Amino acid sequence: EAGVAQSPRYKIIEKRQSVAFWCNPISGHATLYWYQQILGQGPKLLIQFQNNGVVDDSQLPKDRFSAERLKGVDSTLKIQPAKLEDSAVYLCASSTRGALGYTFGSGTRLTVV
Amino acid sequence: GQQLNQSPQSMFIQEGEDVSMNCTSSSIFNTWLWYKQDPGEGPVLLIALYKAGELTSNGRLTAQFGITRKDSFLNISASIPSDVGIYFCAGLNYGGSQGNLIFGKGTKLSVKP
Repeated sequence: EAGVAQSPRYKIIEKRQSVAFWCNPISGHATLYWYQQILGQGPKLLIQFQNNGVVDDSQLPKDRFSAERLKGVDSTLKIQPAKLEDSAVYLCASSTRGALGYTFGSGTRLTVV
Repeated sequence: GQQLNQSPQSMFIQEGEDVSMNCTSSSIFNTWLWYKQDPGEGPVLLIALYKAGELTSNGRLTAQFGITRKDSFLNISASIPSDVGIYFCAGLNYGGSQGNLIFGKGTKLSVKP
């Protein structure tokens, strides 16, 4: 089966600009996650979707981050405006049976200068 | 929030040596998982542990779920160059945020041929 697709792979923006990331999960996976991985740390959950509904967004900085999964398939994560501390790899993952069926994408590496 | 303490932070070993790394938590988890992340890629699941005291193997990898549910270790026997990467432990609790993995900071493994 095809894996979790993410784009772009790399993005460099200036602080205060906006940026969007796209994720296409594995076909049939109802649950989709966005994680932020800062250099030298483990991934941290930003938001979890079940189909097109939000299950957990408690760690999403909602003043600047937003995410949607309108048709319950692919998803976009947006940052507006970006800060220097947003520099990280943004990982998308999908699963069909909770964490045990997790598959991560290769991530988008964001650099904010 | 919940935090996982993973050690060691990095390891430099000779090919053929055995490796051991561990993870501790201040709170209980129902499931422990171990992932490996290669540069530029997302984490890939190595082993999942579901019951306290459980010992599970996957090839040269062996992991155990601590009796207290607050710790886990991963052993790699007879290391080879392709074992190089960052290993993450992750804890999972079922409930309202099912599938929300809490990751450790990772153990960076370097193998000298």
